This record gives sequence, C-alpha cells and structure tokens, in this order.
Amino acid sequence: DQQVKQNSPSLSVQEGRISILNCDYTNSMFDYFLWYKKYPAEGPTFLISISSIKDKNEDGRFTVFLNKSAKHLSLHIVPSQPGDSAVYFCAASAINSGAGSYQLTFGKGTKLSVIP
Amino acid sequence: NAGVTQTPKFRILKIGQSMTLQCAQDMNHNYMYWYRQDPGMGLKLIYYSVGAGITDKGEVPNGYNVSRSTTEDFPLRLELAAPSQTSVYFCATEAHQVAKNIQYFGAGTRLSVL
Repeated sequence: DQQVKQNSPSLSVQEGRISILNCDYTNSMFDYFLWYKKYPAEGPTFLISISSIKDKNEDGRFTVFLNKSAKHLSLHIVPSQPGDSAVYFCAASAINSGAGSYQLTFGKGTKLSVIP
Repeated sequence: NAGVTQTPKFRILKIGQSMTLQCAQDMNHNYMYWYRQDPGMGLKLIYYSVGAGITDKGEVPNGYNVSRSTTEDFPLRLELAAPSQTSVYFCATEAHQVAKNIQYFGAGTRLSVL
C-alpha cells in the first residue's frame, strides 16, 4: 500500500515557466514533508521541507504548499531552469510516531524536464 | 568535508556470494539509514541506526544485516546474494532535530546480482 503517491512519472516544462509537481499521501499521522531532487548517478539532495503546522514554505525559486484536508502537497518551481531537470521525490514522516527514528516514506518520483 | 561516502560505487555479485557495502560520514550525525531503490520506485528503508551500538529493521530488512560500532560508519552486509537484491543502495544520515528530520544521502552503490 503506497502511503506517498506521485501520480505523474514525468513532466516537461519550458524554461522560464512554472513547474508544479504534485504529491498525495494517505497516512494521517504524517506531519513533516520533504522534497528531494536527484540527478542521475547521484544521491538524493534535500530541497525544501514543510511542517504540518504550516501551509506554505518558500525558499528562493522553490515553494511547497501543503493542503492537510486534501492530504496533498505540491512543489512549485518558478522560473524553471534547465538545471532543474532531475527526478523529484516527495517524502513524508510521522515525527510523533514514537518509533525512535523519523523514518521517511518516499514516493516513486517525478522526472522533470525543463526545455530550453 | 566529504559528507556521506559510500563504497564501492558499482559491484557485480554472483548468486550466493556475500559482500559489505560501506558507508562513512564526517557530519557527526547520530542517525544513519540504509535504503534501496529499485527502477521506477521510491526509496525503501532497509535498516537504520539511532547511534553507535543501536540498530533496527526498516521496511525491507530480509537478506541484510547491519552493525554500528562507531558514529562514523554504518556498513550493510549482504549474505547469500540473490537476484532480487539487484538495486541501487543509498546510505543517509540525519542530525535528528526536534520537529524536523532532514536526511543527507551518499551517492549510492549500484549492485547487480547475476
């Protein structure tokens, strides 16, 4: 059972336009969400995160929006640049799970291609 | 400052062989993790450690073992390699702060079992 879903395997966007990557989750215990970016032959790199007490977090060209009632989050990249072409993973954790570790649950990823 | 270093980068094993994937960090993070990523899939947690001497199973631990004798190192052992263990393996570390958990990943080890 996939608890974190990225339903779009790929997305193509023109340079300078907005990229919107979507992520849905089913586990209502999740209270911390992250986006990672991954280039081929490299490990995932942390991009931006958001706590469930917020509905928006912005860092430069990257903004993450969280809609808790819909169990949905999105990553906006404005303006998109060719260097943004990568696979983007959505991840979630249940910080208050009491498991002793904040295990991350990952989506399958969305491959973003920014066309010059 | 190397961050998280994984060795080897690539390895081909025959069925039934064993090997150890190495992970070393210089970030002084207490939490460390091992994930595997199969093609077209997200990362799945194999094992994790909250500190030296403490390890626990993740979502897919079968066929693997870990140890954590120091803060810096967290090796992953494959015994009796099987084709189902063909994957890319990532090690990650975390500083473990209150109300947030950001993990930092190594570059990965690509393993093929033939």
